[in-house]
Amino acid sequence: SAVISQKPSRDICQRGTSLTIQCQVDSQVTMMFWYRQQPGQSLTLIATANQGSEATYESGFVIDKFPISRPNLTFSTLTVSNMSPEDSSIYLCSVDNGRGTEAFFGQGTRLTVV
Amino acid sequence: AQTVTQSQPEMSVQEAETVTLSCTYDTSESDYYLFWYKQPPSRQMILVIRQEAYKQQNATENRFSVNFQKAAKSFSLKISDSQLGDAAMYFCACEGAQKLVFGQGTRLTINP
Repeated sequence: SAVISQKPSRDICQRGTSLTIQCQVDSQVTMMFWYRQQPGQSLTLIATANQGSEATYESGFVIDKFPISRPNLTFSTLTVSNMSPEDSSIYLCSVDNGRGTEAFFGQGTRLTVV
Repeated sequence: AQTVTQSQPEMSVQEAETVTLSCTYDTSESDYYLFWYKQPPSRQMILVIRQEAYKQQNATENRFSVNFQKAAKSFSLKISDSQLGDAAMYFCACEGAQKLVFGQGTRLTINP
């Protein structure tokens, strides 16, 4: 299993500003995943973060808008840049132990952009 | 590409009764995995049950079981003896080539 600490749990931000979300895992993991969950909707994968290489972004998500850092095997950050109200969502960090295994999630960051 | 469809946005059940949540999926992968995750109001996603596509036997975890129909690409979740703590959003998910794709979710309400 893995325990994930995600910070902040919530924030209200002004449009045009940026917010960095932190994800700390209690064990070393190869890949970390960042998801967005828009209000009342499903989880959509933003990107996969590997240590030592650039993150892999899904269609519709770009590095300039969602830069990701992965400095070591237990930590990652996601920045939401130049925010607009459309970025208001829950952002979740996740890890697993390989393909087909259980995914573990942080408790999410509820972001409101005003 | 993978798609997962949950056709029931909301379901409700009486406490102690049985409820079935529906899920259909589509994938071009021959080797894939299926999951049901639960998201209570705390937002913490929790694994409910997992099924390997190559296994014909339906997975079971205590009060939770699945009906996996591979040819029909159907993966429903049955919750027996429903409890108040089962109230949550339930997401069906399919993992193919290292990417987990979620359905739209079903909000389950338990009536006391």
